[in-house]
Amino acid sequence: DTGVSQDPRHKITKRGQNVTFRCDPISEHNRLYWYRQTLGQGPEFLTYFQNEAQLEKSRLLSDRFSAERPKGSFSTLEIQRTEQGDSAMYLCASSLDRVDPTRGFGPGTRLTVL
Amino acid sequence: QKEVEQDPGPLSVPEGAIVSLNCTYSNSAFQYFMWYRQYSRKGPELLMYTYSSGNKEDGRFTAQVDKSSKYISLFIRDSQPSDSATYLCAISNTGFQKLVFGTGTRLLVSP
Repeated sequence: DTGVSQDPRHKITKRGQNVTFRCDPISEHNRLYWYRQTLGQGPEFLTYFQNEAQLEKSRLLSDRFSAERPKGSFSTLEIQRTEQGDSAMYLCASSLDRVDPTRGFGPGTRLTVL
Repeated sequence: QKEVEQDPGPLSVPEGAIVSLNCTYSNSAFQYFMWYRQYSRKGPELLMYTYSSGNKEDGRFTAQVDKSSKYISLFIRDSQPSDSATYLCAISNTGFQKLVFGTGTRLLVSP
């Protein structure tokens, strides 16, 4: 157990609906990352936060995706107008600043878009 | 060309075997090399990370980096059925802002 928690663990939605996922990092970690993992692939970087500031976004993060970390603690990832291609595992990770690699990821939220 | 290439396997070995897992990468600017283990329906967990070339050992696990050939390896000695998982290599720049993962190699260790 890495201490990173995610909610919900599973989400099934219909195409066109909006979904929101939550990540609670390890409490003293000021960095928070979102990754996406599809079946048979490694995780792909989506975005990361240093405290409440979103410092980098991948090209994978289309304008239908938005992530927030309002108080530098938990983070939310929202997907608007979901498409079948959004079906994946959404992973969150946290770390201490720039000296520490990502030790572990949360259990992920598995999204299925019908 | 993908930044990190990894054979997806599966790799099946008997208990007690020495396992060799490998990745190649294309961008020589990356300086940190990680190995993660991922059990089914779980998030990846960091096993080891190394900086630059050389070897690093931790118990039954040895990570090896050859920057001249852009080749990274993970060796598992005396493999156990509990080692059955997907092993992901990852590379990163200084600061670990972003990890670039391989596809993962699925390892099956049979008793």
